[in-house]
Amino acid sequence: DIQMTQSPSSLSASVGDRVTITCRASQDINNYLAWLQQKPGKAPKCLIYSASTLHDGVPSKFSGSGSGTDFTLTINSLQPEDFASYYCQQYKSYPHTFGQGTKLDI
Amino acid sequence: QPQLEESGPGLVKPSETLSLTCTVSGDSIGSSKYYWNWIRQSPEKGLEWIGTVHHSGNTIYNPSLDSRVTLSVDSSKNQLSLSLRSVTAADTAMYYCARGVRYWGQGTLVTVSS
Repeated sequence: DIQMTQSPSSLSASVGDRVTITCRASQDINNYLAWLQQKPGKAPKCLIYSASTLHDGVPSKFSGSGSGTDFTLTINSLQPEDFASYYCQQYKSYPHTFGQGTKLDI
Repeated sequence: QPQLEESGPGLVKPSETLSLTCTVSGDSIGSSKYYWNWIRQSPEKGLEWIGTVHHSGNTIYNPSLDSRVTLSVDSSKNQLSLSLRSVTAADTAMYYCARGVRYWGQGTLVTVSS
């Protein structure tokens, strides 16, 4: 199985900050990577797929980059609604696997 | 864009079979080019991919669940189904269906308890 390692596990930031979350795959996954956002008590929502393509309706403050084994999610100008948990997911090979998550709080 | 809604019993007894349905609107499963995924989430294991199903009948399962899980499609009802046999407390989780990686249902909580 491909292991997905996110860092940091938790992150404290302030409104208006820019933050970066990283995800590393244990083997090359090309660009078959998605970033998900999850708020408490809600289902995960896709923010980015194919490593850098914004999902429908996702604001451009979110951006993704990377290919191969190293990926980043950047969030610009943090707003209160952005404080949530973020996960990476690889779908290059089965079984699909997820990072352990990054909890972003104020 | 598609909408997905999971449904099923919220409580299942140990050793019994967990059965869930995912009703899809805004897309026709039978003519969709997409693969449909089931994922579950628990505090202990985090997000765990269960398996993938296509309307053609192709299925791929997580090896960790392969012997207990069956995924299927009912194109006439535009529904997906999940069956997980011989459940234990470790199967307690939120269960989600998703189209590819982009569209997720709201999830349904399943508790395994006597």
